[in-house]
Order: sequence, then structure tokens, then C-alpha cells
Amino acid sequence: EPEVTQTPSHQVTQMGQEVILRCVPISNHLYFYWYRQILGQKVEFLVSFYNNEISEKSEIFDDQFSVERPDGSNFTLKIRSTKLEDSAMYFCASSDPNYGYTFGSGTRLTVV
Amino acid sequence: DQQVKQNSPSLSVQEGRISILNCDYTNSMFDYFLWYKKYPAEGPTFLISISSIKDKNEDGRFTVFLNKSAKHLSLHIVPSQPGDSAVYFCAAGSNQGGKLIFGQGTELSVKP
Repeated sequence: EPEVTQTPSHQVTQMGQEVILRCVPISNHLYFYWYRQILGQKVEFLVSFYNNEISEKSEIFDDQFSVERPDGSNFTLKIRSTKLEDSAMYFCASSDPNYGYTFGSGTRLTVV
Repeated sequence: DQQVKQNSPSLSVQEGRISILNCDYTNSMFDYFLWYKKYPAEGPTFLISISSIKDKNEDGRFTVFLNKSAKHLSLHIVPSQPGDSAVYFCAAGSNQGGKLIFGQGTELSVKP
């Protein structure tokens, strides 16, 4: 069964450093997303991406965040200057036109 | 943002009995609903979905019921098995390729 692959599974970074979280969505999916889950809280939408541009973003997705699909297969989330409160599980997802959402296993980001 | 609510943080059920997980929503624009299962340190795994034109969808042991007038959906698992023990999230969306809004999750524990 096709999977969404995320790397790394765990990333530890110092506050103020830049991090890039990587994702390989399912190849025939057209919509790509990042969500995050802070420990003990619900899964929250960050951003959606379609046709090589952001289609929607939440208020969490401020100027410190950016997404890119650099080569037609990878989908990345960059956090420019990490803060302690960015510590969370970050989930990449992709979907097909029939609402078939598939989530990756997540990257646990720990900012120290 | 409380558009999707799961009011029971936890549920304990005996193996072989029915598990009923509930979810309420407030946004009448939602037109499809999904249930996800999540184990610790893993991404959400899709279980079952329902579009707003239906009131019931069944897949094996899992059945989702949608009551649009009450803005309520429920997931029935019967018979429940110990392997079903996980956190269950309901999620809702309102357009193709759109974001999902998640509930807070209900932790199901199925006891042998």
C-alpha cells in the first residue's frame, strides 16, 4: 500500500536554529499538507499545498514557516528560527481528489 | 477553534462488546468526515469516512453514523478487540483538497 514517508523521525535542535522536515507524498496525490500535534493536544492544520503553491494556511503558519516542493517528489517544511513552543510532532499528509487522505508517521521535533 | 469536539477523553470497553465513540461539530459547511486511529509516536491511520450525503457507512467491524440535523457522528466498533486500543480522532473537511479539522481525541481501552 502506498505510504507517505517522513524523515527524520526525530529531530533535536537548538532554539533559534533552522530545521527542515522532509516528506515524500504518495506519487499520484495532488494535495499536500503539514499538520502538527503538540503533546497532549489535538492535531492542528498548518498548511496545504496544491499546484505548486500554498492553497491555505492557518494562523500558526507565520513568517517563520515555509513549504517547498523542490523536485516533484519531496515536500518540505522549513522553520527558520525555532522556538521552544515549536516542539511537537509534525505530520505530512497527501490526498487524492476523492478525499483519500494519507498521513506519514511524523517527525518529532524537540527544540531545546 | 472548537468546530469539532470529542467530549469523552477516554472510554473503556470489555473485549467483544461494542465501542461507541462520539463526535460533534458546529460548522454546517463540513461535507465529509473521517475517523482516524493513532498509536503513540505514529501518524494518524485512516479508518473510515462518510460524506454528508450519507447517514451510515460500514467497513467490517467499523460503522460510522452521521446525524446532520444534530451535527453528530459516531463510530461503532463491534466486536471490540484489545488491538483496537488507541486514540481515535474524528476529523471534518469542507472541500476537496481542503484542510481537516480534528477533534481532541478519545482514548479507547479494550480490556481482555
